[in-house]
Amino acid sequence: GNSVTQMEGPVTLSEEAFLTINCTYTATGYPSLFWYVQYPGEGLQLLLKATKADDKGSNKGFEATYRKETTSFHLEKGSVQVSDSAVYFCALGGPRNTGTASKLTFGTGTRLQVTL
Amino acid sequence: NAGVMQNPRHLVRRRGQEARLRCSPMKGHSHVYWYRQLPEEGLKFMVYLQKENIIDESGMPKERFSAEFPKEGPSILRIQQVVRGDSAAYFCASSPGQVYNEQFFGPGTRLTVL
Repeated sequence: GNSVTQMEGPVTLSEEAFLTINCTYTATGYPSLFWYVQYPGEGLQLLLKATKADDKGSNKGFEATYRKETTSFHLEKGSVQVSDSAVYFCALGGPRNTGTASKLTFGTGTRLQVTL
Repeated sequence: NAGVMQNPRHLVRRRGQEARLRCSPMKGHSHVYWYRQLPEEGLKFMVYLQKENIIDESGMPKERFSAEFPKEGPSILRIQQVVRGDSAAYFCASSPGQVYNEQFFGPGTRLTVL
């Protein structure tokens, strides 16, 4: 079955540091890949997505590239801010072009703490 | 356009009671998903519904849990005879169905079983 593996947290960085959160997956076919962010006490917000190999998703300075050869979708940001402190979830969905929605499989989440 | 609405945000029940969690999807969305998040864990899929139909309930416990999405009104996740292990955050997500896989999440209901 499908599975997602994320790097363990927490990750603690100083403001303006470079961020990488690793994510690898196991799936059949060509899944869609997502990063969601969860701020304290809130639900999940979609941060970015990629639906086919070599696609790069980007939003708010965050980027992730769909690497089929390494089955990875690592999240990066060049300069983090205190406001980026949150839990980040990598997720995998069904293949694109199915025309139907399907359930998401989530990693366990990585907590990011950014300090001044 | 209002987002996904869930209520209540916090629910406290004693062991053996019933818990009812409600989810109103975004306007125009006909697909609803329920996920459970145990403390310090990721979200686990429970059930996927369209109006009046359960499409995939492979993540639902076989006993005590049920879900519905009636023609009118919100989707309901019902947990009968709650136990302490049911304490978790329950998130609902909705999707229009046309855009593959993108799901929009509600703020969650945090269930505490005493």
